[in-house]
Amino acid sequence: AQSVTQPDIHITVSEGASLELRCNYSYGATPYLFWYVQSPGQGLQLLLKYFSGDTLVQGIKGFEAEFKRSQSSFNLRKPSVHWSDAAEYFCAVAGYGGATNKLIFGTGTLLAVQP
Amino acid sequence: EPEVTQTPSHQVTQMGQEVILRCVPISNHLYFYWYRQILGQKVEFLVSFYNNEISEKSEIFDDQFSVERPDGSNFTLKIRSTKLEDSAMYFCASKGRVNTDTQYFGPGTRLTVL
Repeated sequence: AQSVTQPDIHITVSEGASLELRCNYSYGATPYLFWYVQSPGQGLQLLLKYFSGDTLVQGIKGFEAEFKRSQSSFNLRKPSVHWSDAAEYFCAVAGYGGATNKLIFGTGTLLAVQP
Repeated sequence: EPEVTQTPSHQVTQMGQEVILRCVPISNHLYFYWYRQILGQKVEFLVSFYNNEISEKSEIFDDQFSVERPDGSNFTLKIRSTKLEDSAMYFCASKGRVNTDTQYFGPGTRLTVL
């Protein structure tokens, strides 16, 4: 069955420190992979996506993610965290083909940023 | 920049009542979705809608739920007889023409069933 695992429920980093949020997926075919961010009371905003090609993808707000097929991972990184990055981050996978392409989400990682 | 909008932002209802959650997807999009997020849990797929019919639905989407695109702009989710466990944030999303397009999410409707 398709699934996404985000092993870290809650992470706290200091402002200016680097960040890595982990995501592992289980999908039988070629996955489409996404990272969304949700600020309190807000909807889901797309940070970045991977469909094919270069396995290192750049997103908005200085985020990047690397697709590693051998590890079934799609970890999100940022070299220097800003206080405004405090939010919940969701990794998601979608399948290729068909009219659906429904997103399957992980449980999310809540990021807190210390001054 | 075009965006998905949802109304109302918060709906409070009594158990057993019908509710309709409304969404206006991005205007040239063809694929429409509803997801829900129970407080403290992950976002879950409910239903997808394409070419004026349901293309896929989850186990959650039982006979109490229905979706409709009544005109060229709105996309609605109806819950016929709400239960306490329907309390959640409901997100609408839309996607453009091709498989590689991104799903764009609305801000959500928080449904509270008392």
